[in-house]
Amino acid sequence: QLQLQESGPGLVKPSETLSLTCTVSGGSVTSRSYYWGWIRQPPGKGLEWIGSIYYGGSTYYNPSLKSRVTRSVDTSKNQFSLQLSSVTAADTAVYFCARVEGVYSYSSYYFDHWGQGTLVTVSS
Amino acid sequence: QSVLTQPPSVSAARGQTVTISCSGSSSNIGNNYVSWYQQLPGTAPKLLIYDNNKRPSGIPDRFSGSQSGTSATLGITGLQTGDEADYSCGTWDSSLSTYVFGTGTKVTVL
Repeated sequence: QLQLQESGPGLVKPSETLSLTCTVSGGSVTSRSYYWGWIRQPPGKGLEWIGSIYYGGSTYYNPSLKSRVTRSVDTSKNQFSLQLSSVTAADTAVYFCARVEGVYSYSSYYFDHWGQGTLVTVSS
Repeated sequence: QSVLTQPPSVSAARGQTVTISCSGSSSNIGNNYVSWYQQLPGTAPKLLIYDNNKRPSGIPDRFSGSQSGTSATLGITGLQTGDEADYSCGTWDSSLSTYVFGTGTKVTVL
């Protein structure tokens, strides 16, 4: 059974870089059929897609965050990661990683497996 | 500010039916498939419906989805207390080149 688990610091200082890792078990990040994505949810608010990555290196970002986001895949550890630079209090959120259907067409694009999420607070 | 609009809340008695609307535009719902997610309190979202009306394995047929024009609807029949959760729609927006989620709807079972 596919499982995803986020890990990383729960507290990040303003202007610094937020770094999170998602470890995949029960499946492989090298699967040709899926992207791997990040979604966040500020406290009490709705979901926001951050971006998705394909194991071969193709990446797709939310334009509103694109300039601050870096993503990568570590096939040896079956992990993928997210880095968000120059964070502010507005980046405080629960961050989820997920498996993404949509390799063949953006028209059919959805998140079929999610990690439990990790709260990241931006504060000095 | 989400481009997909949902009612903030809906409620119904146990055993009754609720519907949740998701209103968008031609660049999103009008031309791409919609998915729906259930988020129980304090937990991660769970995929309920994909490609407008398909249910993943394990999702009961009490949950259904439909799409017409630039709107989509999630229906829940035989409402149970365990259905109390936040529900969000989502789809790709071809103009924004981004995946967009709805504003979210809280379902309350009376």
